[in-house]
Amino acid sequence: EADIYQTPRYLVIGTGKKITLECSQTMGHDKMYWYQQDPGMELHLIHYSYGVNSTEKGDLSSESTVSRIRTEHFPLTLESARPSHTSQYLCASTWTGGRTEAFFGQGTRLTVV
Amino acid sequence: GESVGLHLPTLSVQEGDNSIINCAYSNSASDYFIWYKQESGKGPQFIIDIRSNMDKRQGQRVTVLLNKTVKHLSLQIAATQPGDSAVYFCAENGAGGTSYGKLTFGQGTILTVHP
Repeated sequence: EADIYQTPRYLVIGTGKKITLECSQTMGHDKMYWYQQDPGMELHLIHYSYGVNSTEKGDLSSESTVSRIRTEHFPLTLESARPSHTSQYLCASTWTGGRTEAFFGQGTRLTVV
Repeated sequence: GESVGLHLPTLSVQEGDNSIINCAYSNSASDYFIWYKQESGKGPQFIIDIRSNMDKRQGQRVTVLLNKTVKHLSLQIAATQPGDSAVYFCAENGAGGTSYGKLTFGQGTILTVHP
């Protein structure tokens, strides 16, 4: 079982609130990723990081922001949540070299009302 | 919220049949490909991978085929079981340039196995 954890698993929050979705991994992986996925739909890369102090935007434009101050931690923040942000958010991590399969967390299902 | 992207194609098979799931990838510079299985309410789980210097790789009941000429990847599942019912995604790892380090997922396929 992969050692990557996301909290919370489920979050229902009002419009305009600031939220942070947590993602931590204990495998020492340098690359981390955030994906957005609606039910029954594709995974879209919204942010990724090569390592500490490195962040890049993914293929899908997102109003969220990320930070990577520590190797093991890659939080995602929405400054002002809107109903259009309702979705599932999946965090993943990989090594840089060799076999680079990504390990995924269980996801955070966010509902903005 | 607004749905992002396309609804997924579906494949229905009988238990015991072989299943073939296809995927087209976009970046000819990608050097590593992975198949993932995602069950309802869970994150994707690794099934099998293949590097771009190979065209076939076999695992337990699964085989991945890579055709770089047409940028096509397939996953074959032998003797499909009800527990194989899930959504299957292929992913490509960018090799260089602006794609370096990006793990990008292709369109998934919903596999339903009937007993």
